[in-house]
Amino acid sequence: DQQVKQNSPSLSVQEGRISILNCDYTNSMFDYFLWYKKYPAEGPTFLISISSIKDKNEDGRFTVFLNKSAKHLSLHIVPSQPGDSAVYFCAASARTSGSRLTFGEGTQLTVNP
Amino acid sequence: DGGITQSPKYLFRKEGQNVTLSCEQNLNHDAMYWYRQDPGQGLRLIYYSQIVNDFQKGDIAEGYSVSREKKESFPLTVTSAQKNPTAFYLCASSVTAGGPSETQYFGPGTRLLVL
Repeated sequence: DQQVKQNSPSLSVQEGRISILNCDYTNSMFDYFLWYKKYPAEGPTFLISISSIKDKNEDGRFTVFLNKSAKHLSLHIVPSQPGDSAVYFCAASARTSGSRLTFGEGTQLTVNP
Repeated sequence: DGGITQSPKYLFRKEGQNVTLSCEQNLNHDAMYWYRQDPGQGLRLIYYSQIVNDFQKGDIAEGYSVSREKKESFPLTVTSAQKNPTAFYLCASSVTAGGPSETQYFGPGTRLLVL
C-alpha cells in the first residue's frame, strides 16, 4: 500500500522556467511533509518542509504548497537551474509516529540549459 | 568535518552469506535509521534507533538485523534470510526521534549486489 505517491517518474523543463513536482498521499494522519533532493550516488538532502497547519512555505526559489482536502502537495522551483537536475522525493510523517518518514517513489527532474 | 559515513560504497554478497554494512556519524545525533531503495521506488525504512541500546523494526525488517552499542555507530547486517538483498542502502541520523520536524541527514549509501 503506497501511502505517498509521486505519479510522474520524470520531468523535463527549460532553464529559467518553473518546475512543478507533485505528490499525493492517502494517510489522513500525515501532518508534516518534506521534500528531499538526491544526486546520483549520494544520499538525499533535505530541501523544504511544511506542516499541515500551513498551506504554503517558501524558501528562496523553492515553494511547497499543501492542499489538505485533496491530500496533495507540490514543490515549485522558479526559476529552474541546470544544477536543480536531481531526483526529488516527497516524504510524509505523522505526529504519532515520531520522526518516521514515508517516502514517495521520486521524480527525476532534468533542467535543460 | 561532521557527517555520516557509510562503508563500503559497493558490497558483494554470495548466496547464503551474511554481510554487514557500516554507518558512522559524528554529529552527536541520538537517532539513526536504515533505509533501502530499489529502482523506481521510494526509500523504505528497515530499522531505526532512537537512542543507544535501543532499536525498533521499520516497515521491511525481515531478513535484517542491527545493533546500537555506541551512539555514533549503527551497523546493519543483511542475513541469508533476506532473499532479495540487491538494493541501495542508506543510513540517516537526526538530532532526536522526537517528531517529524527533525531533519534526517543521510550518508552516501552502500550498493549491495548478490553474486
